[in-house]
Amino acid sequence: GAGVSQSPRYKVAKRGQDVALRCDPISGHVSLFWYQQALGQGPEFLTYFQNEAQLDKSGLPSDRFFAERPEGSVSTLKIQRTQQEDSAVYLCASSLAGGGATDTQYFGPGTRLTVL
Amino acid sequence: AQKVTQAQTEISVVEKEDVTLDCVYETRDTTYYLFWYKQPPSGELVFLIRRNSFDEQNEISGRYSWNFQKSTSSFNFTITASQVVDSAVYFCALSEGIMKTSYDKVIFGPGTSLSVIP
Repeated sequence: GAGVSQSPRYKVAKRGQDVALRCDPISGHVSLFWYQQALGQGPEFLTYFQNEAQLDKSGLPSDRFFAERPEGSVSTLKIQRTQQEDSAVYLCASSLAGGGATDTQYFGPGTRLTVL
Repeated sequence: AQKVTQAQTEISVVEKEDVTLDCVYETRDTTYYLFWYKQPPSGELVFLIRRNSFDEQNEISGRYSWNFQKSTSSFNFTITASQVVDSAVYFCALSEGIMKTSYDKVIFGPGTSLSVIP
């Protein structure tokens, strides 16, 4: 497709369940970012991939959060043993290069995760 | 540490009024980028502008204009003759740029919710 797509758009999980959120970046984009956006807040950086390499995971809130991008395109964010505080919108963004004077991050529509 | 402040949580204006959204940032870096993003009710963040810390020229794009003042660490956004379609949450953001890292590690402000009333 032309833009970044994410699935599912909505996910309801019971506390303790594992979830997997998928991101399809724009074709050819080297860089992929995951953000967490709590209700009424701005997005917060979680992790960054350059191709298949995870170069920065400093924003992942705990070891229950794990992200991968094995072939340098599609990425999955996995949350194990979900907690209520994990409820948020998870945004994925991709960019051609990752940074620089003219580079732009294009965002997907997000996955709204609700943990009951 | 880097920080972005958007003091206005919510703003309501009547259609055709001008509105300015304030943004103040903190950074110790001399090279950085500033951004504005729009988040309509659909949820998808839409890129509006990217500004290099060395470029203090104001920018105008249609009804949108941006005022970057390094002396006050501000990067304000003005919408002229607002329209109902401008209703959205607007985020100001800051990145250290690629001097330190090879990618934009973007720090977002808390957002300003703009409602344009017909």
